[in-house]
Amino acid sequence: EAGVAQSPRYKIIEKRQSVAFWCNPISGHATLYWYQQILGQGPKLLIQFQNNGVVDDSQLPKDRFSAERLKGVDSTLKIQPAKLEDSAVYLCASKTSGREQYFGPGTRLTVT
Amino acid sequence: KQEVTQIPAALSVPEGENLVLNCSFTDSAIYNLQWFRQDPGKGLTSLLLIQSSQREQTSGRLNASLDKSSGRSTLYIAASQPGDSATYLCAVYSGNTPLVFGKGTRLSVIA
Repeated sequence: EAGVAQSPRYKIIEKRQSVAFWCNPISGHATLYWYQQILGQGPKLLIQFQNNGVVDDSQLPKDRFSAERLKGVDSTLKIQPAKLEDSAVYLCASKTSGREQYFGPGTRLTVT
Repeated sequence: KQEVTQIPAALSVPEGENLVLNCSFTDSAIYNLQWFRQDPGKGLTSLLLIQSSQREQTSGRLNASLDKSSGRSTLYIAASQPGDSATYLCAVYSGNTPLVFGKGTRLSVIA
């Protein structure tokens, strides 16, 4: 079984630029999550999708972050414009009902 | 609001030693607790998941216990190896709230 795929693995941008991350969950997993992990911290949930609907986006900074999950499969997370404090690892995870979450390798974003 | 604390923040042990990592949570109304491993620059790998009705789970040299009433979990690693060096994260799930993570314990096993 293929795991959760994410791209790119690394991205360096200047502040005020925009950036997009892509996630492909495990096949058949209806629930998809995006987390932000700042160095030395545990992951923090940004947004949760159930199929292509948003379940929880209460911690997503909506003035600059957006996410979508077209057709209930792949998802993209966008930041526009980026700030220095957005430097972090962005993790995507997926799960099927009642099971544990499986995480992708993450995208390390550096904003200079 | 659920808060998860992990102690110690960092731990260094010689190879072969048995060790215990601690996790505490403030709200005992949880569905399950999960231990993850994170290697530098990598994502999270699930190690053990304990349902709220369970007291412990074992996988190879790893044993995780859960005392829901006191808000505590421990991860026991037997006969540690250099390959066990990583950050270990504890996370709790309470149903209709996001998975809440601790900050992790950074483990170094010295050969």
